[in-house]
Amino acid sequence: QVQLVHSGAEVKKPGASVMVSCKASGYIFTDYYIHWVRQAPGQGLEWMGWIKPNGGDTNYAQKFQDRVTLTRDTSISTAYMNLSGLKSDDTAVYFCSRSYDPSLGFDHWGKGTLVTVSS
Amino acid sequence: DIQMTQSPSTLSASVGDRVTITCRSSQSINRNLNWYQHIPGNAPKLLIFAATSLEDGVPSRFSGSGSGTDFTLTISSLQFEDFATYYCQQSYSFPLTFGGGTKVEI
Repeated sequence: QVQLVHSGAEVKKPGASVMVSCKASGYIFTDYYIHWVRQAPGQGLEWMGWIKPNGGDTNYAQKFQDRVTLTRDTSISTAYMNLSGLKSDDTAVYFCSRSYDPSLGFDHWGKGTLVTVSS
Repeated sequence: DIQMTQSPSTLSASVGDRVTITCRSSQSINRNLNWYQHIPGNAPKLLIFAATSLEDGVPSRFSGSGSGTDFTLTISSLQFEDFATYYCQQSYSFPLTFGGGTKVEI
């Protein structure tokens, strides 16, 4: 069955960077886009961007354009989200999800990685 | 950016109730509207895509309607496992945006 498995929780200081990984299994990794979505405590869902594993094309929300980098390693079916210049309001659960096309819904999600930014 | 507005933000209901959640977009998004269910600690789950299409494996008590700017998610007979937060999301243009969520509680 399709699974998206995240790396473990992280605690970072303001100004630092964090990398969250998302390992895919149960399907052909390069056939689906990987999206990253975050949810701050008590808040709703916020889309950050997507990466197309086949080729590595990316599309970022303008809000995160200067601070986020999405990459992938097709040899191990894993996508990565790197967020730099962390601030306290970056404290959130970061989810990866997949879609067959960017215009379609996200049909599978990981359980998310909690990133806490605190001095 | 396209703004998505859900109502109500919280809904109190009982098992067996018919529940309706609405979602309005700030501009027309045709039928590029998806609905998700999220239970804290779990992965969000796609319920409805393209406004009206039921995702595989989702119970038929869930249904979606609408096009343009106004959309509805209906649960025909609420079950215990349906108590969760529901989000709409537009996939018409980037950045993809979500509604603020509707918490369905007992």
